[in-house]
Amino acid sequence: GQNIDQPTEMTATEGAIVQINCTYQTSGFNGLFWYQQHAGEAPTFLSYNVLDGLEEKGRFSSFLSRSKGYSYLLLKELQMKDSASYLCAAPSYNTDKLIFGTGTRLQVFP
Amino acid sequence: DGGITQSPKYLFRKEGQNVTLSCEQNLNHDAMYWYRQDPGQGLRLIYYSQIVNDFQKGDIAEGYSVSREKKESFPLTVTSAQKNPTAFYLCASGNGQDQNIQYFGAGTRLSVL
Repeated sequence: GQNIDQPTEMTATEGAIVQINCTYQTSGFNGLFWYQQHAGEAPTFLSYNVLDGLEEKGRFSSFLSRSKGYSYLLLKELQMKDSASYLCAAPSYNTDKLIFGTGTRLQVFP
Repeated sequence: DGGITQSPKYLFRKEGQNVTLSCEQNLNHDAMYWYRQDPGQGLRLIYYSQIVNDFQKGDIAEGYSVSREKKESFPLTVTSAQKNPTAFYLCASGNGQDQNIQYFGAGTRLSVL
């Protein structure tokens, strides 16, 4: 079976760093995605990890450990506009379907 | 501008009525997808299509139908058999190959009158 778990909600302060965790159980592995979704809008692609380690893209970084079935999204120098839901997703084995977690709603306070 | 266009942005359905949600992409992607999003739940796959004139059921296909007559278009019909249609519907497309990043339209919010 396939399962993706992430926290439902998180809060943080402007300028701080926040780490959003995601654990996954998939039969086979073909990468892990992170998307950002502002309320009422489309999800937008943030990152894709297929190898272990940290990938940095400006203020956002994504980490993957395949042996632990674990990923995190790291957001630095938080801004108010980072308040959004962050969706973790993994491809269903041997298909191009994506399985999504329920999303983590991040609220950034001044 | 390349992208995915969904219309309408808001849609209201009466009891017993079928409604069709439009999704058009000009990204030259082979694969297209329809998802449903409910509050507090992740995106759930309704139908997907990997190539023109072919499509497969996703996890929650009952009460929905699709067609893929053109590469650019993948309309979704919410039939009267779908008893709880109120949700946010998202269309996505991808190149169907390695990585297969999916790009999403702006969504259609469907409500029942």
